[in-house]
Amino acid sequence: DVKVTQSSRYLVKRTGEKVFLECVQDMDHENMFWYRQDPGLGLRLIYFSYDVKMKEKGDIPEGYSVSREKKERFSLILESASTNQTSMYLCASSFGTGAVQPQHFGDGTRLSIL
Amino acid sequence: GQNIDQPTEMTATEGAIVQINCTYQTSGFNGLFWYQQHAGEAPTFLSYNVLDGLEEKGRFSSFLSRSKGYSYLLLKELQMKDSASYLCAALDSNYQLIWGAGTKLIIKP
Repeated sequence: DVKVTQSSRYLVKRTGEKVFLECVQDMDHENMFWYRQDPGLGLRLIYFSYDVKMKEKGDIPEGYSVSREKKERFSLILESASTNQTSMYLCASSFGTGAVQPQHFGDGTRLSIL
Repeated sequence: GQNIDQPTEMTATEGAIVQINCTYQTSGFNGLFWYQQHAGEAPTFLSYNVLDGLEEKGRFSSFLSRSKGYSYLLLKELQMKDSASYLCAALDSNYQLIWGAGTKLIIKP
């Protein structure tokens, strides 16, 4: 079974802090994704990566950056946290070659910025 | 623009059948996914359709009509554990997923 593990289920930070959200997958997937999920909205893609050290902006990258130094790990960084970044953050991974593959998700990190 | 529409909330009775509809408008189309998400948990993959027609997987079936930009998820013999949100997502021409806001399904005894 694919396992996508996010480092924290709940996190509370203060405005202006630099925040790190970590995600690790154990299935040797090439693709990794970061989404945020807010009530009444579909999942919105922040950043994704198709390979180590490679990153692409999604639909809402402003205020965020990412790092992928190892294939299994994809980190999301909030450079200077703001209250409008309070949200549920979901990490996902998938195989990158061959036929279309489903994304597998972690349990999410519920982040509150005070 | 790209858009996915699905009902916000539906209610059904245990043992019954429910159909959750999804309409999509995307730049190109490479298939449609359905995911289930229980409250506070990760979305889990249910189905993927790229060709027209119905695909059945046990109590769950998914239908696609590419010409109408329409899909539905059919859940039979509903159980209390089926209470969850159901997310529809279309794969566009760049192989990016466009997500609907999800349909919260409430099952009553």
